[in-house]
Amino acid sequence: NAGVTQTPKFRVLKTGQSMTLLCAQDMNHEYMYWYRQDPGMGLRLIHYSVGEGTTAKGEVPDGYNVSRLKKQNFLLGLESAAPSQTSVYFCASAANVRNSNQPQHFGDGTRLSIL
Amino acid sequence: AQKITQTQPGMFVQEKEAVTLDCTYDTSDPSYGLFWYKQPSSGEMIFLIYQGSYDQQNATEGRYSLNFQKARKSANLVISASQLGDSAMYFCAMSGLTGGGNKLTFGTGTQLKVEL
Repeated sequence: NAGVTQTPKFRVLKTGQSMTLLCAQDMNHEYMYWYRQDPGMGLRLIHYSVGEGTTAKGEVPDGYNVSRLKKQNFLLGLESAAPSQTSVYFCASAANVRNSNQPQHFGDGTRLSIL
Repeated sequence: AQKITQTQPGMFVQEKEAVTLDCTYDTSDPSYGLFWYKQPSSGEMIFLIYQGSYDQQNATEGRYSLNFQKARKSANLVISASQLGDSAMYFCAMSGLTGGGNKLTFGTGTQLKVEL
């Protein structure tokens, strides 16, 4: 039972390089999310998606882009990496149940360092 | 806007004792959910317990219970009979139905250390 799978688990980039973080879920969830976790700040929402083909900005979207071409996949892109984007990135997914808040299920995270 | 406040950066508890982790929240959403997640040193986020704003009874899941006081806007996590494996970071979070997507707002977390 895979749940939410993030690829890669670790990555080191140089400033200005680009990369894409991959997230896949096998629970048929409508909602998907990308968060970043920095020391002492908890998790902050970068972008999210309420369904295939739709995306929306979260609390800290600058410097990131996302795509949800397939329901099970949610991609996070860094076009030109900056040291301030050094962080742990978490993907999550949740079911869409009318008038109900469903728990989000998280991947194991991607540790990204920008030199 | 939603806000979660966790005022305890670190807590210590002896094994087999109960511990309460504090969480207060602020929201203008009439319907919302409150969640607790555990993050062990290995880094994954583990869902523990959920409380809906209209739920009449406090949520319980095994040794975890959520002390929900709506008028005081608090949603404290109570862990009974602490175990060494409970040592972890604990995050309180909330989501609302307004705006769609059930987005979570997290607190800054409480680091719990269980001692022998």
